[in-house]
Amino acid sequence: GQQVQQSPASLVLQEGENAELQCNFSSTATRLQWFYQHPGGRLVSLFYNPSGTKHTGRLTSTTVTNERRSSLHISSSQTTDSGTYFCAMVHTEGADRLTFGKGTQLIIQP
Amino acid sequence: DSGVVQSPRHIIKEKGGRSVLTCIPISGHSNVVWYQQTLGKELKFLIQHYEKVERDKGFLPSRFSVQQFDDYHSEMNMSALELEDSAMYFCASSLDWGVAEQFFGPGTRLTVL
Repeated sequence: GQQVQQSPASLVLQEGENAELQCNFSSTATRLQWFYQHPGGRLVSLFYNPSGTKHTGRLTSTTVTNERRSSLHISSSQTTDSGTYFCAMVHTEGADRLTFGKGTQLIIQP
Repeated sequence: DSGVVQSPRHIIKEKGGRSVLTCIPISGHSNVVWYQQTLGKELKFLIQHYEKVERDKGFLPSRFSVQQFDDYHSEMNMSALELEDSAMYFCASSLDWGVAEQFFGPGTRLTVL
């Protein structure tokens, strides 16, 4: 079954609003990463966050390992934040097989 | 650019043809992982090599083979291409095996006609 579930599948916001993206996983994650995919396809790693909270600029990632969930918060969204956000996890200790969610498509309207 | 390098960036092949994709990991990284993404969907794990040894295999078709060389760059040889092989192919590298963050290349877009 689906090991990584992301919600919502799509999200449309007005510029300046905050965005909250969720990631739930069905087994304990030893590693968790959030990615942003540009409309052209390039994949950028946003956070490597197996546990706790991390910040960078307007982005905040919070992972609660024992509850098997992670969130990505984007504050004061901008049109350039539009794209697809993926979370991915490794659920086996010592492995490197990232399992990706289906992504959240974020559209920020001006 | 000190990131992961992939070539070519875009390639078009005919059904039944062959193709070679190349991945150069970040300097010092000996772990290379390949993923496939079809139609903007989730990425799927294909195969992983660490220190030139295959460590894990996922959805890699038998028509494809992957090799990692002494300088840790990796090549994916694809043969008997099928329409459903059309996808983005990403490689990622990390410093070590099983513990480190993976850094992704820009991807190769393969179109099979």
